[in-house]
Amino acid sequence: SQQGEEDPQALSIQEGENATMNCSYKTSINNLQWYRQNSGRGLVHLILIRSNEREKHSGRLRVTLDTSKKSSSLLITASRAADTASYFCATDSGAGSYQLTFGKGTKLSVIP
Amino acid sequence: NAGVTQTPKFQVLKTGQSMTLQCAQDMNHEYMSWYRQDPGMGLRLIHYSVGAGITDQGEVPNGYNVSRSTTEDFPLRLLSAAPSQTSVYFCASSHPPNLEQYFGPGTRLTVT
Repeated sequence: SQQGEEDPQALSIQEGENATMNCSYKTSINNLQWYRQNSGRGLVHLILIRSNEREKHSGRLRVTLDTSKKSSSLLITASRAADTASYFCATDSGAGSYQLTFGKGTKLSVIP
Repeated sequence: NAGVTQTPKFQVLKTGQSMTLQCAQDMNHEYMSWYRQDPGMGLRLIHYSVGAGITDQGEVPNGYNVSRSTTEDFPLRLLSAAPSQTSVYFCASSHPPNLEQYFGPGTRLTVT
């Protein structure tokens, strides 16, 4: 079963605009991670936010976490054509869990 | 460091054939896992291992076997291939288990 679900499924924006993707999950977590996948490649880790954190930044990335709503958002500012990829959230299932569950992803297209 | 390597990159099997997908990592990570990625389904966990000699099932283990005799290697065996196992397979490693995952480039498997 899917723990994390991304929204929207697909997003198309112009270069320079901001892109926001959302992730909802069902059970309590220790941390939530975001990954990027370029077409035909393996996933690359972007950022991890712990359950006791509300916001985290890394370069042009900003992640928020609302544990009361069981949701997270990933904001990419000043998007570039190279940001075109699929983005996935991944969650664990709380204490003692060794399993990460990935959502179905958001496909982002940045038009030059 | 080569990171996580997977072989082969592409494979075509006939129904009923068996094969082993290879995965190796040179980062001394204790945790390794196998995922399959199907269109519109995101990544689903097949099997994982928290160290040499220790393996466990993920979300979709049926039809697959794993073993972990060394820290570096985590092969995935398809016992009797079925068309439903047509997918892209990714191996990942990390240390500790639920933090940043390092993914291999994937194996694209077609079963006819």
